[in-house]
Amino acid sequence: NAGVTQTPKFRVLKTGQSMTLLCAQDMNHEYMYWYRQDPGMGLRLIHYSVGEGTTAKGEVPDGYNVSRLKKQNFLLGLESAAPSQTSVYFCASSYSTSGRHEQYFGPGTRLTVT
Amino acid sequence: AQSVTQLGSHVSVSEGALVLLRCNYSSSVPPYLFWYVQYPNQGLQLLLKYTTGATLVKGINGFEAEFKKSETSFHLTKPSAHMSDAAEYFCAVRGLYSFQKLVFGTGTRLLVSP
Repeated sequence: NAGVTQTPKFRVLKTGQSMTLLCAQDMNHEYMYWYRQDPGMGLRLIHYSVGEGTTAKGEVPDGYNVSRLKKQNFLLGLESAAPSQTSVYFCASSYSTSGRHEQYFGPGTRLTVT
Repeated sequence: AQSVTQLGSHVSVSEGALVLLRCNYSSSVPPYLFWYVQYPNQGLQLLLKYTTGATLVKGINGFEAEFKKSETSFHLTKPSAHMSDAAEYFCAVRGLYSFQKLVFGTGTRLLVSP
């Protein structure tokens, strides 16, 4: 199993450009999450999905959109990138939302917005 | 609402010395507690978790943590540090009921010197 994979690994955008980050998992997990990691702030939840076709806002959703058209994929979109969105983005998945089931993380996407 | 405090953004130890990374949480309900490790340029990997039962939890790579409800703590320890333990460590908490997001601490970077 590949686990959780993310595409691309690195990206540089100019302010105002758009892009989509792709997350894929092969563990048949129902739940998927997008986080951003900034120095000294830990990980903060952007959006999450509790199943195919459903999405919900997390702690810092502004400026991002998501879609979950297929169970194994979770897309994170930036419609008009801003320098404040420079960060490392992590996707995660879990079997359920129960605290007993840990989240599995992808390797991350490092995004720089100039 | 849950929150996590990790004392010390950086901890330095010598190889072979005791590792102690501190984590205190606040939660209105009995929590689930996690420690994740992040090696440079990689995603987060679960070290160990506390759900219910035994309060001393053993994880991978020789790490363990003890849940102390009276102290609202979940400190991570390892008897003898190895150079390969150098990484960033995150404590995380989530509540027991329904979907409650995983709340991360700000992380502690462990430095191991020869």
